[in-house]
Amino acid sequence: SQTIHQWPATLVQPVGSPLSLECTVEGTSNPNLYWYRQAAGRGLQLLFYSVGIGQISSEVPQNLSASRPQDRQFILSSKKLLLSDSGFYLCAWSAEPRQGRTQPQHFGDGTRLSIL
Amino acid sequence: AQSVAQPEDQVNVAEGNPLTVKCTYSVSGNPYLFWYVQYPNRGLQFLLKYITGDNLVKGSYGFEAEFNKSQTSFHLKKPSALVSDSALYFCAVREDSALSFGAGTTVTVRA
Repeated sequence: SQTIHQWPATLVQPVGSPLSLECTVEGTSNPNLYWYRQAAGRGLQLLFYSVGIGQISSEVPQNLSASRPQDRQFILSSKKLLLSDSGFYLCAWSAEPRQGRTQPQHFGDGTRLSIL
Repeated sequence: AQSVAQPEDQVNVAEGNPLTVKCTYSVSGNPYLFWYVQYPNRGLQFLLKYITGDNLVKGSYGFEAEFNKSQTSFHLKKPSALVSDSALYFCAVREDSALSFGAGTTVTVRA
């Protein structure tokens, strides 16, 4: 069966420090991968998605970046964190569309990021 | 752009009573619609999806959703709610290669 892992679960960082959040998927190949941010426990904002190694689409301009160095690894980074980067970050994967039909996304347990 | 709206921030029901969480959609073309549930400090869990076919879709944990094209709605339902159904529920629609989520509805089921 497929599993998705995110770490760390909780992170407290000072303003201006760098960031690296990692997400890995097991049990599938060539997944679509996604990074979301959830503010104040409500709506999700899509940050990045990737349909293959080295292929990253950015949805919202910001000081975050994403990379996909391996098929099942998705990394969210920042060189200098801002206070506004605080939030709950969720990684998700989905299988490739089959017969043109979107497959459901499956989420990791998230990383709660607090910027001080 | 594709979008969904969840008109209720909160839904409160007594255990054993029917539960409905509302969602309306706005799409061009055929809608691909999803429901997810989120428990505190956890990721979202997939409940069910509508792609095509029967308007009544059955999903996990006894939930179902009814696709209504004329009302552009995709309401989530459960005939008899449990206290353990208390959580945050999200409706979502496919947009390009990703999903666009509603703002979420907090469901509280009281014993």
